[in-house]
Amino acid sequence: DVKVTQSSRYLVKRTGEKVFLECVQDMDHENMFWYRQDPGLGLRLIYFSYDVKMKEKGDIPEGYSVSREKKERFSLILESASTNQTSMYLCASDRGRTEAFFGQGTRLTVV
Amino acid sequence: QKEVEQNSGPLSVPEGAIASLNCTYSDRGSQSFFWYRQYSGKSPELIMSIYSNGDKEDGRFTAQLNKASQYVSLLIRDSQPSDSATYLCAVKRVNEKLTFGTGTRLTIIP
Repeated sequence: DVKVTQSSRYLVKRTGEKVFLECVQDMDHENMFWYRQDPGLGLRLIYFSYDVKMKEKGDIPEGYSVSREKKERFSLILESASTNQTSMYLCASDRGRTEAFFGQGTRLTVV
Repeated sequence: QKEVEQNSGPLSVPEGAIASLNCTYSDRGSQSFFWYRQYSGKSPELIMSIYSNGDKEDGRFTAQLNKASQYVSLLIRDSQPSDSATYLCAVKRVNEKLTFGTGTRLTIIP
């Protein structure tokens, strides 16, 4: 059974904290993605990676960075969390032209 | 213009009827097209994928693709209450980003 696993289902952090969201996939996929989802705005791409140590900015990269040291793991980093980064964060992975599989999501609240 | 646009919802359909969901996209180089279903508080799950012009059927679901018109649709036949969810259209080029529409909320009325 294919799987994308995100490290936390719910997370509460304080303003200014450095936050790490981890994502691991077991499908040997080349491509991995981080999205955030907000009501009325849909899924917006933050960053994606098409290979180890490679990354591309998505539509809303400001305030975020990513790390991909191993093929199966893609980390999203909030350098200094702010309240406007309160959101649902979704990790996904795919190969080439085929469908993407999603993790269960992390609901992050920044207080 | 948004890269992927979906018909504005919410959409309400009686149980047993056909639900029709529409999507247009702006990138003519798009090669892969997907419909995802998302229940409230859950992550998206794949319903259909389609890669070439025409229709693709899977059970009660039919995806239709017209690349010339840059149009993708999803038909749900014999709609069930369990089909009530938000449906997301997504498009991509090979090994490039996957872009989503904002989604259409569908409610099946018993």
